[in-house]
Amino acid sequence: DQQVKQNSPSLSVQEGRISILNCDYTNSMFDYFLWYKKYPAEGPTFLISISSIKDKNEDGRFTVFLNKSAKHLSLHIVPSQPGDSAVYFCAARDLETSGSRLTFGEGTQLTVNP
Amino acid sequence: DVKVTQSSRYLVKRTGEKVFLECVQDMDHENMFWYRQDPGLGLRLIYFSYDVKMKEKGDIPEGYSVSREKKERFSLILESASTNQTSMYLCASSLTLAGNSPLHFGNGTRLTVT
Repeated sequence: DQQVKQNSPSLSVQEGRISILNCDYTNSMFDYFLWYKKYPAEGPTFLISISSIKDKNEDGRFTVFLNKSAKHLSLHIVPSQPGDSAVYFCAARDLETSGSRLTFGEGTQLTVNP
Repeated sequence: DVKVTQSSRYLVKRTGEKVFLECVQDMDHENMFWYRQDPGLGLRLIYFSYDVKMKEKGDIPEGYSVSREKKERFSLILESASTNQTSMYLCASSLTLAGNSPLHFGNGTRLTVT
């Protein structure tokens, strides 16, 4: 039972354009959502997060949007840079039931072409 | 800066061998986690620990055990390695149980069981 799904295994965009990575979830008890970025041969690194009481959080070029009614969140990267090429994982947490453990999606490989 | 160190980057083991994967964090974090990453499946939680000598099963604990004798060290044990345990193993730690406390990952151990 995949509670967090990233339906696009890969995404390719041109440098300078917007990258939009999508994530859907099924567990309405999730109260916190995080995005991680992973380069080859490295562990995932935390990128940005959003609480379920908000619908948007912005950090520089990265913005996460949360649509609770649709159980959908997205990560926008503007403008995209070649160094953004990595695998992006969406993750969610149900603090009351599962503590600080995270449930991850399958990941989306983003390629930003120069 | 948090540092999570996994002792081996690559391991090759034979079926039936007992395998130890070691992880050390240097930031006095309470919580430590073991995930495995497989293509198309994302990161799946094997075991986690909220405190010394405490452990809890994650989503896929079968075939694994863990040990946390000291706060900074969390070991993953494959009692009798099998080929379906060939994977990338990622250790992580977090400071608190708060929703906005991100996980900090090590660089991973790629285990091949032949």
